[in-house]
Amino acid sequence: GESVGLHLPTLSVQEGDNSIINCAYSNSASDYFIWYKQESGKGPQFIIDIRSNMDKRQGQRVTVLLNKTVKHLSLQIAATQPGDSAVYFCAESPPGNQFYFGTGTSLTVIP
Amino acid sequence: EPEVTQTPSHQVTQMGQEVILRCVPISNHLYFYWYRQILGQKVEFLVSFYNNEISEKSEIFDDQFSVERPDGSNFTLKIRSTKLEDSAMYFCASRAGPSTDTQYFGPGTRLTVL
Repeated sequence: GESVGLHLPTLSVQEGDNSIINCAYSNSASDYFIWYKQESGKGPQFIIDIRSNMDKRQGQRVTVLLNKTVKHLSLQIAATQPGDSAVYFCAESPPGNQFYFGTGTSLTVIP
Repeated sequence: EPEVTQTPSHQVTQMGQEVILRCVPISNHLYFYWYRQILGQKVEFLVSFYNNEISEKSEIFDDQFSVERPDGSNFTLKIRSTKLEDSAMYFCASRAGPSTDTQYFGPGTRLTVL
């Protein structure tokens, strides 16, 4: 039969508002986490990363929060712009050389 | 700015045929990866490669798949006998080294198996 793609969580925000995208990871041994942005027809683009010895890291307009207790990662985008519209993935990396991606969240910024 | 490049951008093949997907990682990078993304689904890890050998591979990366770094610049993924379910976007990524963890992805090759 026909395979059906996963239904992505979606988030719509007004331009200028802050966005929060959440991710639950699965492996308690993961010690490195990355947020990627993927625009239609393009490869994932690195946004920000964080190691497990930190619980917060800030970049330009973006902040990643890590809660190891509940295995939760979030990405905060300040003053969201139309160019931020994309699918956002978190990825986790346990010790070694593998990376595991989440399902993704589709962010739509309304001008 | 250095970038990962991939060729071709789109490959159409018949079921059972062999395909080779090509990648040129960023020139001073040491770690190389292949991922796939079936339409509408998440990015899935296939294999990582370091020091001219596979360092990790997933369950997806079975005997039909192989990787090679035939020269100092190219990194290839070969699928020996393609199946319909191999249709996906295939992304190559590279990373400078263990102390620099950011992976940089190429634009992907869309593989369509008919």
